[in-house]
Amino acid sequence: DAGVIQSPRHEVTEMGQEVTLRCKPISGHNSLFWYRQTMMRGLELLIYFNNNVPIDDSGMPEDRFSAKMPNASFSTLKIQPSEPRDSAVYFCASSSRGNSPLHFGNGTRLTVT
Amino acid sequence: AQSVTQLDSQVPVFEEAPVELRCNYSSSVSVYLFWYVQYPNQGLQLLLKYLSGSTLVKGINGFEAEFNKSQTSFHLRKPSVHISDTAEYFCAVSGQRGSYIPTFGRGTSLIVHP
Repeated sequence: DAGVIQSPRHEVTEMGQEVTLRCKPISGHNSLFWYRQTMMRGLELLIYFNNNVPIDDSGMPEDRFSAKMPNASFSTLKIQPSEPRDSAVYFCASSSRGNSPLHFGNGTRLTVT
Repeated sequence: AQSVTQLDSQVPVFEEAPVELRCNYSSSVSVYLFWYVQYPNQGLQLLLKYLSGSTLVKGINGFEAEFNKSQTSFHLRKPSVHISDTAEYFCAVSGQRGSYIPTFGRGTSLIVHP
């Protein structure tokens, strides 16, 4: 299996621009997570999907952030408009069932100037 | 709800020495416990997990961890570290009931010196 695939690996954009991060989970996994990692705040859960339905989005920082999962093999995290404080590494992870460990992608390093 | 505390943000150690990375958790329900490792510019990878049964869990790369319910701890150990073990290590906990969303600690940076 190819694992969780995220794109792009790096994204540099200017403040105010729209940013879209993409994730392809492992086939057969029905849970998908988006995390943000920074030095200051560590690993933060942004949103959790189960069977393509958002279950917990309490970690989404504000309305500028949105996430979708139109089908079992694809998810997006969108930031519009982006701000410098959004600079971080964004991880997507998937798992197969409740007590299964998470499989992480290699992340997208976002820099907003 | 649950929380995880990794007591050391950084642990320096010499090659071939033993190491222990500490993790304590709190939860109102029974838990599943995990340790993950993150190498530079990569995502987190599973080292080992405790779901049930024996409280001593063995993982990859010679690591092991012991679940201590009375002390609510899940410390990670390795008897002899290598330079290649230099990485960030994360402890995580999820409840055995509910949504199973894992909560991660802040991470411990293991630095192995030659």
